[in-house]
Amino acid sequence: EPEVTQTPSHQVTQMGQEVILRCVPISNHLYFYWYRQILGQKVEFLVSFYNNEISEKSEIFDDQFSVERPDGSNFTLKIRSTKLEDSAMYFCATRRGADTQYFGPGTRLTVL
Amino acid sequence: SQQGEEDPQALSIQEGENATMNCSYKTSINNLQWYRQNSGRGLVHLILIRSNEREKHSGRLRVTLDTSKKSSSLLITASRAADTASYFCATDGNNQGGKLIFGQGTELSVKP
Repeated sequence: EPEVTQTPSHQVTQMGQEVILRCVPISNHLYFYWYRQILGQKVEFLVSFYNNEISEKSEIFDDQFSVERPDGSNFTLKIRSTKLEDSAMYFCATRRGADTQYFGPGTRLTVL
Repeated sequence: SQQGEEDPQALSIQEGENATMNCSYKTSINNLQWYRQNSGRGLVHLILIRSNEREKHSGRLRVTLDTSKKSSSLLITASRAADTASYFCATDGNNQGGKLIFGQGTELSVKP
């Protein structure tokens, strides 16, 4: 069964550094999302992406965040200058149409 | 309060018993999805119920939806120790662009 994959599984970085989190969506899916989950809290929406552009973004998704689909397959989330409060689990999710969203296993980001 | 609130927050039962988790939401929805998350891991999709459906089954899972009360329930029958996890409801609302809004989750513990 096709799966959403994410790399790396765990990223440790120093405050102020840039990080890029990568996701490979399910091949025939058209809608892509990033969510995050701070330890012990609920999953929060960050951004949705469709047709090579951002459809919607939350208040969390400020100028430090960006997304792109550089090669038509990978879907990336970049945080330009990480803060301590960016430490969280980041999930990529994809869907084909008006249907189920499938989540990847997540990347645990630790900012020191 | 927020979209997608589950109760109880924590539930502890014996193997073989049934577990019922409830979710309430505030705005109109296209569908409601239930996910499971093992500690520190990814989100596994369990079941999706559309706004025009009232009940859905999948194996030992039974989901109900009452749009007049803006609530849903997830029933796991004949629970097993392997069902121990956190369970989240997530709503895909009208005019939400497909993003999911998650509740705080119910932490289920099934004791052997």
